[in-house]
Amino acid sequence: EAQVTQNPRYLITVTGKKLTVTCSQNMNHEYMSWYRQDPGLGLRQIYYSMNVEVTDKGDVPEGYKVSRKEKRNFPLILESPSPNQTSLYFCASSLQRMTEAFFGQGTRLTVV
Amino acid sequence: AQSVTQPDIHITVSEGASLELRCNYSYGATPYLFWYVQSPGQGLQLLLKYFSGDTLVQGIKGFEAEFKRSQSSFNLRKPSVHWSDAAEYFCAVGAFTGGGNKLTFGTGTQLKVEL
Repeated sequence: EAQVTQNPRYLITVTGKKLTVTCSQNMNHEYMSWYRQDPGLGLRQIYYSMNVEVTDKGDVPEGYKVSRKEKRNFPLILESPSPNQTSLYFCASSLQRMTEAFFGQGTRLTVV
Repeated sequence: AQSVTQPDIHITVSEGASLELRCNYSYGATPYLFWYVQSPGQGLQLLLKYFSGDTLVQGIKGFEAEFKRSQSSFNLRKPSVHWSDAAEYFCAVGAFTGGGNKLTFGTGTQLKVEL
C-alpha cells in the first residue's frame, strides 16, 4: 500500500532534549516536505527536499533540521526543542513538482 | 509570495443541504490549486486539484470546485452533504520556489453537519 509513515504518532518531551521524528515513503517520490499545523494558522512548511542530499528552508525553519540521505526517508530533527514547537507535524511526499502531495498521519508533539 | 484566504472558519449545514466553501488565492502566475480534507486525528487527503484546462473539476466523495481566474477563487461545492463530511477543509496553492514543491495552505474551514 502506497503510504507515508511517520513515527512516533505522539510524543511528549522536555525542553532541550533532542528528538527525531522519522518519515518514510514507499512511492519512490522525489519531493518530500515537513509541515507544522497550529490552530488558526493552517499548515506551514518547515523544510522541503527535492531529492537526495538536496534540502531547503520553508517558511518556518528556525529550530529544525532535516536530512535526506536516502530517497525514501526524510527525518525531522529538533536539536533543542522548546515549548513553542508544540504542534502537530506532517510529512508529505510527491512524485514531481506540483503533483499531488501525500501526507502522513501526523505526529503530535508536546514540549514541556 | 503566494497566499490563500479561507474566510469562513466554521460552517454548519444540515445533512442533505448544499455546501460551498470559499477559497481566494493570491499568486502572480497560473496557480496550481488543491482542496484537502482532514478528518479528526487523520492526515490530509486530497479531494481535488486544478492544474489547467476545464475550470470545473470533479473530485472524490462527490465534491467539485470551480476555478475563477477573474475572482482569484477556487470554491469547493457539494450538492448534498452527508454527516460523514464533517471535517476540516483546506485550500492550498502550489508554487515553484527554486525548484521546491511548495504548497501554501489556507487556515482551514471547519465543517459541522447537523442531522
